[in-house]
Amino acid sequence: ETGVTQTPRHLVMGMTNKKSLKCEQHLGHNAMYWYKQSAKKPLELMFVYSLEERVENNSVPSRFSPECPNSSHLFLHLHTLQPEDSALYLCASSQEYGGRVKTQYFGPGTRLLVL
Amino acid sequence: AQTVTQSQPEMSVQEAETVTLSCTYDTSENNYYLFWYKQPPSRQMILVIRQEAYKQQNATENRFSVNFQKAAKSFSLKISDSQLGDTAMYFCAFMRLSYNTDKLIFGTGTRLQVFP
Repeated sequence: ETGVTQTPRHLVMGMTNKKSLKCEQHLGHNAMYWYKQSAKKPLELMFVYSLEERVENNSVPSRFSPECPNSSHLFLHLHTLQPEDSALYLCASSQEYGGRVKTQYFGPGTRLLVL
Repeated sequence: AQTVTQSQPEMSVQEAETVTLSCTYDTSENNYYLFWYKQPPSRQMILVIRQEAYKQQNATENRFSVNFQKAAKSFSLKISDSQLGDTAMYFCAFMRLSYNTDKLIFGTGTRLQVFP
């Protein structure tokens, strides 16, 4: 699957570091999502962008800062993270067209470890 | 609020056999979609099958089929002729029908192991 790519695939960072996760979709979609996947918990939606505007922020701490410069790219900027933020971060995209099912396609994820 | 429950944390099946993964959900909505996603050990989440709630006919995709019971709010996945490549985490997910950007609500997943 190469429709949605994510870099890096693995990231180890200290609590004082600043890093960014990148997501790129090659499907011509106009909505993008960030999810957090922790062990034994359901996937948690973090952010949603539609037509490059943030339409949902699911009570995510401010140490996570998303950026969507265009419909193909989505970033998640990380700063002063906590060890409990260690997880798999998944990006997804979908095509919006009002009232119709919008299947989300996922990237491979970035495995983040905060020390 | 909608919730999705997958009561089987782990399942195993022998190659070529059939296995059914269960999923129940809770919603007051009448129009919605249900999905099964597969996440192999490589971690890429892949759509397996989807079902529109307004359709009475159960969705099928090759060896994968669902048993959608709307009144019971049940959405099980049947995998026929299991293959080693079916080994993965399987997630059931709910999406409300809307004209805005949609939120997928996921269950906790079922880990399926296919044995030779």
